[in-house]
Amino acid sequence: GGIITQTPKFLIGQEGQKLTLKCQQNFNHDTMYWYRQDSGKGLRLIYYSITENDLQKGDLSEGYDASREKKSSFSLTVTSAQKNEMAVFLCASSIQGGERLFFGHGTKLSVL
Amino acid sequence: QEKVQQSPESLIVPEGAMVSLNCSFSDSASQSIWWYQQHPGKGPKALISIFSNGNKKEGRLTVYLNRASLHVSLHIKDSQPSDSAVYLCAVSMVLQQGTGSKLSFGKGAKLTVSP
Repeated sequence: GGIITQTPKFLIGQEGQKLTLKCQQNFNHDTMYWYRQDSGKGLRLIYYSITENDLQKGDLSEGYDASREKKSSFSLTVTSAQKNEMAVFLCASSIQGGERLFFGHGTKLSVL
Repeated sequence: QEKVQQSPESLIVPEGAMVSLNCSFSDSASQSIWWYQQHPGKGPKALISIFSNGNKKEGRLTVYLNRASLHVSLHIKDSQPSDSAVYLCAVSMVLQQGTGSKLSFGKGAKLTVSP
């Protein structure tokens, strides 16, 4: 089996700050995803990547950048944190074309 | 964009009860429908999926799909306190670029199984 590691587990930022979340997987999966989970809302896709150096926008990409420099890692940057923003960011991976996603435990973001 | 609606939003059942969770989706061209389980502070974990009309059973889980009515349900037999979690319905759609699939998730249903 494999594992997806997200760092940090908790992230506290200031309004307007640029914040970076990291994700590592050892499944050797081709495709990686970033989802945002808000209380009372479904998971929403921010970015995904089908291979190293590939980036595809999801439904919620505005306000975010992503980077996939290695097959095993996928990072997400909040370009300007919004005051009182609070959400959990989930990283996931799958085989190429696969429908079964394997998730990390998430990074919980709070913006003061 | 695919819309996924789940009901109920939450339910509390006694240990040993049968649990039924519902999910409706908007696009008949969807691929598989998945159910994920999420415990507090953890990421979602895939439980079971279905593609064809009808039902599929795996252990205590049974899923029913009716594509004509755009409805899928998950049934948990003999529920246990460890089943207490949020259950997410996810509908898979083929990406336009042919690069794979995208999952659209419902808001989830919070299940509490009391001992």
